[in-house]
Amino acid sequence: GAGVSQSPSNKVTEKGKDVELRCDPISGHTALYWYRQSLGQGLEFLIYFQGNSAPDKSGLPSDRFSAERTGGSVSTLTIQRTQQEDSAVYLCASSTRTSGAGNEQFFGPGTRLTVL
Amino acid sequence: AQTVTQSQPEMSVQEAETVTLSCTYDTSENNYYLFWYKQPPSRQMILVIRQEAYKQQNATENRFSVNFQKAAKSFSLKISDSQLGDTAMYFCAFMKHWGGGADGLTFGKGTHLIIQP
Repeated sequence: GAGVSQSPSNKVTEKGKDVELRCDPISGHTALYWYRQSLGQGLEFLIYFQGNSAPDKSGLPSDRFSAERTGGSVSTLTIQRTQQEDSAVYLCASSTRTSGAGNEQFFGPGTRLTVL
Repeated sequence: AQTVTQSQPEMSVQEAETVTLSCTYDTSENNYYLFWYKQPPSRQMILVIRQEAYKQQNATENRFSVNFQKAAKSFSLKISDSQLGDTAMYFCAFMKHWGGGADGLTFGKGTHLIIQP
């Protein structure tokens, strides 16, 4: 079946603009994760969803970042008033059951965000 | 909080050789999971191997095996008979058994492995 998909694959935006990044998890996967990969910080965990709920948003870098998930499926990561330090690859992953069970996370190809 | 350290930023070996990638971690948890993920230039993260901390037996997947030393908090990856397709970034990752809140993977900085023909 289809894997995790993300769109767009690349996004170039100007500083101060808002962007939305989309993730379509594998069908039936209840857990969904967002990560950020940058040269300076490496791979950082941002947020996870169990169903439509995000129990802990403390991994989000600032209040300019928000995420939602609807229908237990598609998730959107929104960055408001983008800054140059937001430039990174944003990865989404999904897994079959509640997190904490050590289940494999299946990753999407990522969205490369460039803020000019 | 957990930390994962990969001390080898880059390694290069000849095709068919055996290579070992190092990973150490720090945690106060007793139950957790450890992973090695591979990221080729396509950016697609692929799970290589997974180890449950409560299992003493080292995980193996074909040419890939780990040396898990729980007391030393060490989790190295051995790749036997290396192939050109093994060229990629390799990330060691940690997950708590039950995260409660923030429950994602904690990654190391990665090791860039180059297999030379």
